[in-house]
Order: sequence, then C-alpha cells, then structure tokens
Amino acid sequence: DIQMTQSPSSLSASVRDRVTIACRASQSISTYLNWYQQRPGKAPKLLIYAASYLQSGVPSRFTGSGSGTDFTLTISSLQPEDFATYYCQQTNSIPYTFGQGTKLEIK
Amino acid sequence: QLQLQESGPGLVKPSETLSLTCTVSGGSISSSGFYWGWIRQPPGKGLEWVGSIYYSGRTYYNPSLKSRVSISVATSENQFSLNLTSVTAADTALYYCARLVTTIVVVIDLWGQGTLVTVSS
Repeated sequence: DIQMTQSPSSLSASVRDRVTIACRASQSISTYLNWYQQRPGKAPKLLIYAASYLQSGVPSRFTGSGSGTDFTLTISSLQPEDFATYYCQQTNSIPYTFGQGTKLEIK
Repeated sequence: QLQLQESGPGLVKPSETLSLTCTVSGGSISSSGFYWGWIRQPPGKGLEWVGSIYYSGRTYYNPSLKSRVSISVATSENQFSLNLTSVTAADTALYYCARLVTTIVVVIDLWGQGTLVTVSS
C-alpha cells in the first residue's frame, strides 16, 4: 500500500493568513493526488484533483502543487469557512489511501 | 441533482455481518464512467477506502478487508450495497457511500451524508 503522510497534523492560523499543508507519498504517484476538505459533521468535499486542478465551484484561493512524492495545498487568504480538516488522497493504485488529515484551527 | 443516501442498522453485534445500502437518486447508477464506493471513518479518525463497484459488477476492494468485504449493485433499484462479515469493534465507523469518477485521475466527487455503525454487544 502507498502510505500518505501529511504535515502538520494540526495548524492554528488567523483569517487572511496564507497557509500551506504538505503531503508526502511513500512512493512516486505522479500527479494522482487529490485534496478534500471536511468540515465538522459533514462529508468530505473535493477541492483539488490531479495535484493542481481546481474542482468546479471551489474558490481560487485554494491551490495545489507537486508531483512524484511531494505535494502541497495552499490557501492564500484564509476565510472563516476554511477552518476544517484537510485530507490528501492518492489514486495511483489500489487501495486508494488517504493522509491522516490536517486540522486547521482558528488562532 | 444526484444524491446518495446510506441506510442500514446502526448497531451490529461482534462477529456478525454489517450490511448497508446506498440509494442513488436524481440519476442512474448505470451511467457509464462512474464507479460507486464505500469509505469509512472511525470516530475522530481519518478516512479509509473500503471498495468500489462498477454498474457491470466489477469490484475493487481494500486488501486489508478483502476476505470480509463484498459490494454488490442492484441496477433496477438504483442501489449498491456493502457487506462486511465477522465485524469487531475496529469496524465501528461512519460509513459513507460515494461516487467515483475518472477525470484526469480517479476522484470521489459526490458523497452521502454518512451513517454511523457501532459494533457492540
């Protein structure tokens, strides 16, 4: 199985801050990498697919980058609704695996 | 607007079988290009892909569960189902049904609201 490791596991930030979340795969996955946002009590929501493509309807303050084993999700100017948990996921090979999550909290 | 809704028992005894159904509304489960799957999330923990199925019946399972899991589809009822045998407390989780689609890569683009299943005697 491909292991996905996110850092940090939690992060405190303020509205209008710029934040970056990292995701590392245990082997190369090209750009088979997606990012999801999960708000408390809600199902995850797709934000970014194929490492850098913005899902329709997702604000442009979210950007993704990377390839191979190292990836990042950047939120350029945090809004109140962005405080949530973020997961990366690889779909390079089965089983599709997720990172452990990064909880983004208000400072 | 396509929607997914999970249903099934919220409490299952250890060693018994967990059975859940996902009903797809607002669209056809037989639409080409879409897979249907299950993802679970233990309370307070991360996400685990359980398995997926195509409307033709082709399945893909997480090897960690492969000996216990089966997913089936009922196209006439626009439903797909999950069976997980010999459950233990470690199978306690929020179970989501979902739609998977291949764009440039496989993504999970639509989720049900989730149903909590507790394994306890």
